[in-house]
Amino acid sequence: GDSVTQMEGPVTLSEEAFLTINCTYTATGYPSLFWYVQYPGEGLQLLLKATKADDKGSNKGFEATYRKETTSFHLEKGSVQVSDSAVYFCALSYNNNDMRFGAGTRLTVKP
Amino acid sequence: DAGITQSPRHKVTETGTPVTLRCHQTENHRYMYWYRQDPGHGLRLIHYSYGVKDTDKGEVSDGYSVSRSKTEDFLLTLESATSSQTSVYFCAIREPSSGNTIYFGEGSWLTVV
Repeated sequence: GDSVTQMEGPVTLSEEAFLTINCTYTATGYPSLFWYVQYPGEGLQLLLKATKADDKGSNKGFEATYRKETTSFHLEKGSVQVSDSAVYFCALSYNNNDMRFGAGTRLTVKP
Repeated sequence: DAGITQSPRHKVTETGTPVTLRCHQTENHRYMYWYRQDPGHGLRLIHYSYGVKDTDKGEVSDGYSVSRSKTEDFLLTLESATSSQTSVYFCAIREPSSGNTIYFGEGSWLTVV
């Protein structure tokens, strides 16, 4: 079945470092792809999304490009801040009734 | 804020007891979802609803039932709780006006002892 694989964490970076969190997917069709972020004690918040190949989603300095040829949707940010510390989830969905999530990657940014 | 309220937010219960979690939404969303979050698994869909009295199973529905007698409330019931159902449960809604984005509630932490 369709699935999402994320790089294992935790990831620890210094403030202003470059961030990449890898996400690859397995799908029979052409799903929409998402990144969600979860801050401690809270629910998931949509960070960005892309609905078709070569689309780039971006928000709050984060971006990810839907790469059909490599079945990837890697999350990047040029300069992370302490406030970016959270758990990040990659997900895919065709019709939003069965969104498949990766296991999550915990990011800690140190001052 | 998608107007989602979950209750209770935290609960400890004993094995074999019934438990009901409530999800309440104030914006008349048609689609509602229950997910569970476990380490190493991300979030997995338990059940979803596409209207009053219309529900369907998700990936991990065994041991759970749901009901939706009115648009604003979607109830998740564990008929006889087991330790494997210790988890964080998230309710979610689908927002058509924002490209069918799914928004999550703040979660309900359930511990079965």
